[in-house]
Amino acid sequence: DAGVIQSPRHEVTEMGQEVTLRCKPISGHNSLFWYRQTMMRGLELLIYFNNNVPIDDSGMPEDRFSAKMPNASFSTLKIQPSEPRDSAVYFCASTLSGIHTEAFFGQGTRLTVV
Amino acid sequence: AQSVAQPEDQVNVAEGNPLTVKCTYSVSGNPYLFWYVQYPNRGLQFLLKYITGDNLVKGSYGFEAEFNKSQTSFHLKKPSALVSDSALYFCAVRDKGSQGNLIFGKGTKLSVKP
Repeated sequence: DAGVIQSPRHEVTEMGQEVTLRCKPISGHNSLFWYRQTMMRGLELLIYFNNNVPIDDSGMPEDRFSAKMPNASFSTLKIQPSEPRDSAVYFCASTLSGIHTEAFFGQGTRLTVV
Repeated sequence: AQSVAQPEDQVNVAEGNPLTVKCTYSVSGNPYLFWYVQYPNRGLQFLLKYITGDNLVKGSYGFEAEFNKSQTSFHLKKPSALVSDSALYFCAVRDKGSQGNLIFGKGTKLSVKP
């Protein structure tokens, strides 16, 4: 398996533009997480899905952020409109649900909003 | 609420010396604990986990961690550090059982000097 695949790896966009980040989890995994990493705030959970259903989105900063998981092999995180303070590295991770299971992370998307 | 704390922002060791990266946890019920490593510009990689059983857990790259219930700690250790071990290390705890996400500490930067 190629692991968790995120695209794009890097994204530079202007303030106010819509940004869509994509994630393909490991085949067979049924839980998916979106994290954001910044120097100031460390690693923050934004939202996670179990069997394609959002379980906890309390970490989503505000209404500008939305996430979808239309099927077991694809998820998106959208920011509309983007702001400079959204600049961060966004990670997607997947796992089999269960207390014994570790999560596997993608390489991340480095987002810069100018 | 479940949480982990990493009291050190940075740990410096000389190559060949033993290293310890500290983690303490606060959970209700049984703890399910994990260590991850992040190399520059990469996603997090799983190192090891404690679910139950032996208090000394062995993982990837020669790392091990000692679970101590009385001290609520799960410190990461390696008998002989390598320069290539220099990275950011995260301790994490599973939240709320089987459908819970991973809650991460703020991370500890390990620097191994030749």
